[in-house]
Amino acid sequence: QSALTQPASVSGSPGQSITISCTGTNSDIGNYNFVSWYQQHPGKAPKLMIFDVSNRPSWVSHRFSGSKSGNTASLTISGLQAEDESNYYCISYTTSSTWVFGGGTKLTVL
Amino acid sequence: EVRLVESGGGLVQPGGSLRLSCAASGFTFSSHWMHWVRQAPAKGLVWVSRISDDGSNTNYADSVKGRFTISRDNAKNSLYLHMNSLRAEDTAVYYCARIIVGATGVDYWGQGTLVTVSS
Repeated sequence: QSALTQPASVSGSPGQSITISCTGTNSDIGNYNFVSWYQQHPGKAPKLMIFDVSNRPSWVSHRFSGSKSGNTASLTISGLQAEDESNYYCISYTTSSTWVFGGGTKLTVL
Repeated sequence: EVRLVESGGGLVQPGGSLRLSCAASGFTFSSHWMHWVRQAPAKGLVWVSRISDDGSNTNYADSVKGRFTISRDNAKNSLYLHMNSLRAEDTAVYYCARIIVGATGVDYWGQGTLVTVSS
């Protein structure tokens, strides 16, 4: 099972909006609404930001949103803040009854 | 307070075995499916295995299938990962993670335990 494809890095200025893409295939993202997004600061455990494509846990700011179109899922962060600078990972369920992560995206807030 | 505490990591030689444990507390452990996820030094997250709430359903990444076994003891609120035939590429921090009931996201993670495979 190949990893989902994420951009290695994205950047934006405070207050701007950015979108991180996560591209898979008909065997994973395209076949299920089981995509989650995690934020991970260096040396820390991951933190759930979005689950099942677009659901936001209670502890996550409304500035974070998720969506999906075809084989690509997206995480959008609006009103960028310095504290959003981190690594972000997507994950999807697959038709092999396994899970596959993306390679991760480093978000830099300029 | 929900807590997941991994243990059992350490240094092991190639071809060796190790058993990781994850002690759960602060919630009804038997209600949740659980994952093991690993992360090699300075690398990304990699899914390893998942187990159903009653332990009857398990899944594995191709890279560990046949070598690793996930299990749980709901009476002891514990999750396990038995690792055999360890390879250098299995070197990583291993996290246990709790899956949300009725959904697929992970809402709680342990702090991780480091496994180093080296001679």
